[in-house]
Amino acid sequence: DADVTQTPRNRITKTGKRIMLECSQTKGHDRMYWYRQDPGLGLRLIYYSFDVKDINKGEISDGYSVSRQAQAKFSLSLESAIPNQTALYFCATSVRGEGGRETDTQYFGPGTRLTVL
Amino acid sequence: KQEVTQIPAALSVPEGENLVLNCSFTDSAIYNLQWFRQDPGKGLTSLLLIQSSQREQTSGRLNASLDKSSGRSTLYIAASQPGDSATYLCAVPDSGGGADGLTFGKGTHLIIQP
Repeated sequence: DADVTQTPRNRITKTGKRIMLECSQTKGHDRMYWYRQDPGLGLRLIYYSFDVKDINKGEISDGYSVSRQAQAKFSLSLESAIPNQTALYFCATSVRGEGGRETDTQYFGPGTRLTVL
Repeated sequence: KQEVTQIPAALSVPEGENLVLNCSFTDSAIYNLQWFRQDPGKGLTSLLLIQSSQREQTSGRLNASLDKSSGRSTLYIAASQPGDSATYLCAVPDSGGGADGLTFGKGTHLIIQP
């Protein structure tokens, strides 16, 4: 079984709809991240969380919100989806120091392909 | 703000060739640099992570080097195989060791011709 899972894997929705993307992990990591990937732009950080009480905005948080329901679950919501939010969304986890001193090796889920019409 | 550039954007070579993928970053104050592989429809797989104190890391046919002072890293793939076809991404921490997330390059799309 995959350590980091994302649901749904694919979603097509309409402008104005509320959408939630979910991420679960069995790695026991305390840190979780949401990125989006657009063709030609690479991956960009949306939000990240160090634990259930610590949520931080990333580079492109506008139009998104998150919820850390438990250590193992981190959800990303689009309150009112718009077409330019069409992208591939990745969840990632990390734990401090696993990759060495002051290093957080990140592990990625398989991604959710979201299309907003 | 950290910026990461990868050259070339795309590369197509015959099977068996050795090849080099390049990554450059603007802020040399990094703790580490990571190379990932991305296959269509799948997530990112970490290939190699180089600490700032290291000059290179090796895993099988892959060798990654890091020159912090010049803001450059290379990924060397020896004896390429069709199964190496994928997009290769390099990433550096936004700050510190990466707890605040990573900044990615746009990737090199690699095709190995049988």
